[in-house]
Order: sequence, then C-alpha cells, then structure tokens
Amino acid sequence: QQQVKQSPQSLIVQKGGISIINCAYENTAFDYFPWYQQFPGKGPALLIAIRPDVSEKKEGRFTISFNKSAKQFSLHIMDSQPGDSATYFCAASRNSGNTPLVFGKGTRLSVIA
Amino acid sequence: DAGITQSPRHKVTETGTPVTLRCHQTENHRYMYWYRQDPGHGLRLIHYSYGVKDTDKGEVSDGYSVSRSKTEDFLLTLESATSSQTSVYFCAISALGQQYFGPGTRLTVT
Repeated sequence: QQQVKQSPQSLIVQKGGISIINCAYENTAFDYFPWYQQFPGKGPALLIAIRPDVSEKKEGRFTISFNKSAKQFSLHIMDSQPGDSATYFCAASRNSGNTPLVFGKGTRLSVIA
Repeated sequence: DAGITQSPRHKVTETGTPVTLRCHQTENHRYMYWYRQDPGHGLRLIHYSYGVKDTDKGEVSDGYSVSRSKTEDFLLTLESATSSQTSVYFCAISALGQQYFGPGTRLTVT
C-alpha cells in the first residue's frame, strides 16, 4: 500500500516557467510534509516543509500548497532555472517529523533553456 | 550536512558475505534512520532508532539488523548480503522535527 503518491514521474519545464509537482496521502495522522531535492550522487536535501495548520508556505521561489480536506499537497517552483534540474521527493510523517518519513517515488525535473 | 558522515561511501561485496555500514553524527541527535533508495521506489525505511539501544523495524527490514551502542553511531548490518540488497543506503537524523540526510553509501552485491 503506497501511502504517498507522487506525480508526475518526470517533468520538463522551460526556463522561467512554473514547475508543479503533486502528492496525495492516505494517512490522516500525518502532520508533517517535507519536500526534498536530490542531485545525482548526493543525499536528499530538505527544501521546504509544511504542517497542516497552514495552507501555504513560501520560501523564495519554492511554495508548498496544502489541501487538508483533499489530502493533497504540491510543490510549485516559480521562475524555474536549469540549476533546479534534479529529482524531487515529497514525504510525510507523524509526530511532527520525528517518526520515519514515508516518501513518494520522486519526480525528475528537467529545466531547459 | 547536519554533521552526518557515512562509511564506506562505496562498497562492492560478494553474495553471502556480511557487510556493516556506519552512520556517524556529531550533534547528539536522538533519532536516527536508515533508508535505502532504489530506482522506481523512492526511499524506503529499513530501521530507525529513537535512542541508544532503542530501535525499531521499518518497511524493508528483512535481511538487515542495526545497533546503536552510543548516541553518535548507528550501524546497519547485512548478515549475508544478497543481490537484492544492491542499493544506495542513506542515513538520516531528526533535528528539531526535521530530517536531514547523509551523503549515502553505494553498495553493490555481486
């Protein structure tokens, strides 16, 4: 049973465009939703995270939108740049992040000039 | 990098041999985790620890054991490596409710 479903698997976006990655979860006990960015040969790096008491969180060009009733959350990358080309993972956990993360399967983003 | 190191970074071993991977942290974090990453599967939890000598199993724990005799080290052992354990292994810690990952160990079982 896949608890966090991520889409799309891959995404190609023009430089300057908006990249959107979506995730849906099943366990209503989840209360912490991070996004990770991973470059080839590197470990996942925490990008931005949200808790269900807010519907949106923005850090620079990265925004998480959260819809508690639909059990969905998404990552928006504004003004996408070639340097944003990486694999992005959504995740979820209980207990505000101390319990293990359940990950989506990842989205490979390519930003082309 | 949250002060996390993993060793070795790369290892090739033969089927049936025991292998131990080490995760070391420098900041006394209570929670530590081992995940494996495989194409098409994302990251999956193997084992985690919520304190010295306190560990629990994850989604893909079969064939793996862990030990944590001191706060800074979390060891993952493959008792008898199999080809299905060829993967990239990541250690993580939880700091202020957010998880940070180490650089990974690429393990190949031939």
